[in-house]
Amino acid sequence: KAGVTQTPRYLIKTRGQQVTLSCSPISGHRSVSWYQQTPGQGLQFLFEYFSETQRNKGNFPGRFSGRQFSNSRSEMNVSTLELGDSALYLCASSLAGISGNTIYFGEGSWLTVV
Amino acid sequence: DAKTTQPNSMESNEEEPVHLPCNHSTISGTDYIHWYRQLPSQGPEYVIHGLTSNVNNRMASLAIAEDRKSSTLILHRATLRDAAVYYCILRDPPGTYKYIFGTGTRLKVLA
Repeated sequence: KAGVTQTPRYLIKTRGQQVTLSCSPISGHRSVSWYQQTPGQGLQFLFEYFSETQRNKGNFPGRFSGRQFSNSRSEMNVSTLELGDSALYLCASSLAGISGNTIYFGEGSWLTVV
Repeated sequence: DAKTTQPNSMESNEEEPVHLPCNHSTISGTDYIHWYRQLPSQGPEYVIHGLTSNVNNRMASLAIAEDRKSSTLILHRATLRDAAVYYCILRDPPGTYKYIFGTGTRLKVLA
């Protein structure tokens, strides 16, 4: 069974540009959530999608957005990139609908903003 | 706000048991305690989760205090491959998929 797949794995962008990251969840998983990991702030929740609807959102500015497609694949977008957006962006998927259900992470997309 | 407190780092000798503590005094009555670990250059990996009673799986055991304000992850025989950052996690709001990660415990396993 394939795991959570994130693309691209590594990318470098310039300040002011925008970036789109993609996530393919485990087959059958309908919930997809996104996290940002930096050395200073650790792992922080960005948002979670279920059935193409955003269910929860973390404390990030509006430059961070996401969406989910009907096949449960998800994308997140960061506009007007800042140096502080350099981070590992992690996607996680879950069956959802069951309290206590676990989430499974991908290997992440490493974003460097220069 | 959901919050967990863990020691920054711990060391263990190979093939000895390891007890990783976590305090979560703000836990609600219905929320599970989750443990994940993160190996270098990888995404977090599920270890175990529990609600009230102790839990065991092939990777580890989870001992939960009676008042649920603390828990301990037990690795029965540490191996070099267990060297990782271990996170004790709550969800906020409970029952959602919004995981609140603390700073975690960096486990070093000595050969």
